[in-house]
Amino acid sequence: DADVTQTPRNRITKTGKRIMLECSQTKGHDRMYWYRQDPGLGLRLIYYSFDVKDINKGEISDGYSVSRQAQAKFSLSLESAIPNQTALYFCATSDFRDRANEQYFGPGTRLTVT
Amino acid sequence: GESVGLHLPTLSVQEGDNSIINCAYSNSASDYFIWYKQESGKGPQFIIDIRSNMDKRQGQRVTVLLNKTVKHLSLQIAATQPGDSAVYFCAETWGAQKLVFGQGTRLTINP
Repeated sequence: DADVTQTPRNRITKTGKRIMLECSQTKGHDRMYWYRQDPGLGLRLIYYSFDVKDINKGEISDGYSVSRQAQAKFSLSLESAIPNQTALYFCATSDFRDRANEQYFGPGTRLTVT
Repeated sequence: GESVGLHLPTLSVQEGDNSIINCAYSNSASDYFIWYKQESGKGPQFIIDIRSNMDKRQGQRVTVLLNKTVKHLSLQIAATQPGDSAVYFCAETWGAQKLVFGQGTRLTINP
C-alpha cells in the first residue's frame, strides 16, 4: 500500500463550487504539505502543517484553506473554485528529525475547473 | 527573494551516455540541496541530497556536485537508461522548514 494517498485522483468541477482534496499518510510523519504544480512552474507550496495544531501559509495560499484532522490526515479546500486553480495538486510528508527535510509525495490529484 | 532555477528546461541524451542536469540557486543560507525525480503521472521521488558543507556526494549511478562559489548544483546520471526519463527538480531547504523547488528539467533518452 502507498505511504501517502490522495483522493480523488482526478476531479472536474465548475467555477464557484467548493471542493476538498484529501491526503492520508501511514508514514507516521508529523509534517504535511500541500503543493500545486503548473506546467513550467515546478511545485509551489500552498500550506504546510508541522503538527496537528500548527498550520502555516505557503507562497500561494490565497483561495485555499486546509484542515489537519489528525496526524495522518491533511485536507485542502477550494472554497469557490476558479479556472486558474486548474492544476496538479500534491500532498507530501516529512519527518521533523530529518535535517534535509526529505519529503515523500503522494500520487497527485489532477483538478480541472471549468 | 530566494529562488532556485534551472539552466535548461529539456535535455536529450543517448541511452548509455552520461547526463548532467544543472541548477542555480540564490539563497546562501540553504543548508541542504535535494534532487527529485518525477515520472509521468507520479509524484516527485527523492534521489539524493547534499549538505551545504559538502562539494560532492555519490549514490547509485548518480552524483551531485555543489559549487557554493557560483551557487550551482548539478546532478550527474551515469550510463543513462530508458527508466531515467523523467522531469528532474532541484530543491533547497534551510532550517528544515520547507523546500523551495526549481522549475524542473525534462530528461529524454534516445535509443
